[in-house]
Amino acid sequence: EDQVTQSPEALRLQEGESSSLNCSYTVSGLRGLFWYRQDPGKGPEFLFTLYSAGEEKEKERLKATLTKKESFLHITAPKPEDSATYLCAVPNTGNQFYFGTGTSLTVIP
Amino acid sequence: DAGVIQSPRHEVTEMGQEVTLRCKPISGHNSLFWYRQTMMRGLELLIYFNNNVPIDDSGMPEDRFSAKMPNASFSTLKIQPSEPRDSAVYFCASSPGGYTEAFFGQGTRLTVV
Repeated sequence: EDQVTQSPEALRLQEGESSSLNCSYTVSGLRGLFWYRQDPGKGPEFLFTLYSAGEEKEKERLKATLTKKESFLHITAPKPEDSATYLCAVPNTGNQFYFGTGTSLTVIP
Repeated sequence: DAGVIQSPRHEVTEMGQEVTLRCKPISGHNSLFWYRQTMMRGLELLIYFNNNVPIDDSGMPEDRFSAKMPNASFSTLKIQPSEPRDSAVYFCASSPGGYTEAFFGQGTRLTVV
């Protein structure tokens, strides 16, 4: 069965303290791994798509990487405005996206 | 494009009443998804349409839930009769199709009392 697991569930960082979020997956044939950011009261906002092991994508303080079994979202020198829930998702063969339960990130000034 | 538009943003209804949630996907997108989000279960896929045709509704909780997509620019999710355990945030998302990113609406927060 296809599964997506994220860790940790919650993460508190001091402003400027770099860290990484993990998304591990078990799917039969990866068709892409998607990272989203969700702010309270809003819908998930698309960040990155990674399609093959070794691929990396960057946006401001965020960098997403992908291996054959997991993806990392690295946050470098985070700011309070980076506080949000970060979700990862993978599509199955039927193009249905299955989401992990997310990592709630809090960055303290 | 204004993005995926959902209405209403908030809905409070009494148990047993019919509830209809509405979604306008991004123009040109071929795939449409309905999700439900709760603290306990996170984002759950309810139903997926491709080119207005329901492809997989295995996530629909029970017969009280139904979804339609009469044309490429409109979809509804209906709950009849509603129950308190249906309280959640319901999201609609659309994508161009294939294995590409989905774009979400702002969601409808449903409270059934």
